[in-house]
Amino acid sequence: KAGVTQTPRYLIKTRGQQVTLSCSPISGHRSVSWYQQTPGQGLQFLFEYFSETQRNKGNFPGRFSGRQFSNSRSEMNVSTLELGDSALYLCASSQQSSGNTIYFGEGSWLTVV
Amino acid sequence: GENVEQHPSTLSVQEGDSAVIKCTYSDSASNYFPWYKQELGKRPQLIIDIRSNVGEKKDQRIAVTLNKTAKHFSLHITETQPEDSAVYFCAAGTQYGNKLVFGAGTILRVKS
Repeated sequence: KAGVTQTPRYLIKTRGQQVTLSCSPISGHRSVSWYQQTPGQGLQFLFEYFSETQRNKGNFPGRFSGRQFSNSRSEMNVSTLELGDSALYLCASSQQSSGNTIYFGEGSWLTVV
Repeated sequence: GENVEQHPSTLSVQEGDSAVIKCTYSDSASNYFPWYKQELGKRPQLIIDIRSNVGEKKDQRIAVTLNKTAKHFSLHITETQPEDSAVYFCAAGTQYGNKLVFGAGTILRVKS
């Protein structure tokens, strides 16, 4: 069974631009969540989707948004990029709706210059 | 708000020794406690998890203990090996969705 797949793996953007990151969960998994990982702040929860509905949202500004499609694939978007948005963005999937093991993808490394 | 504190931030042990990492959580609704290992440049990988109806769980050289009253849980690695060197994260989750709150991480170095 293929794991969580994230694209692109690496990208460089300029301040003020916007970026879209994509995530394909493990087959059969309906829950997708996103995390931001930085050396200073560690692993921080961004949001979680289940059956195309956002169920939880972390403490990030409105520039960070996401969505989930009917095939459980998910995208997250960051608009008006800031230098501080440089981070590893990790997607994770889970089989059921709550209280379950989450499996991470390899992440998308975003550098904002 | 929800918070998970993890100690120590770095831990150096001699090969063959044991390593213990401790976490404390604040949300009394937390009932799921996974541990992830992250090697440099790689994704976090689940190594063991425990649910609130269990006090201890073991998998070969790795064990996790949970004290719900004190809101503490710990990771124990015995007979450490150089390949155990990595960053370890504890986390806490509730029955409300799959959101996890992570600790700050522990850099474990196993010296051979």
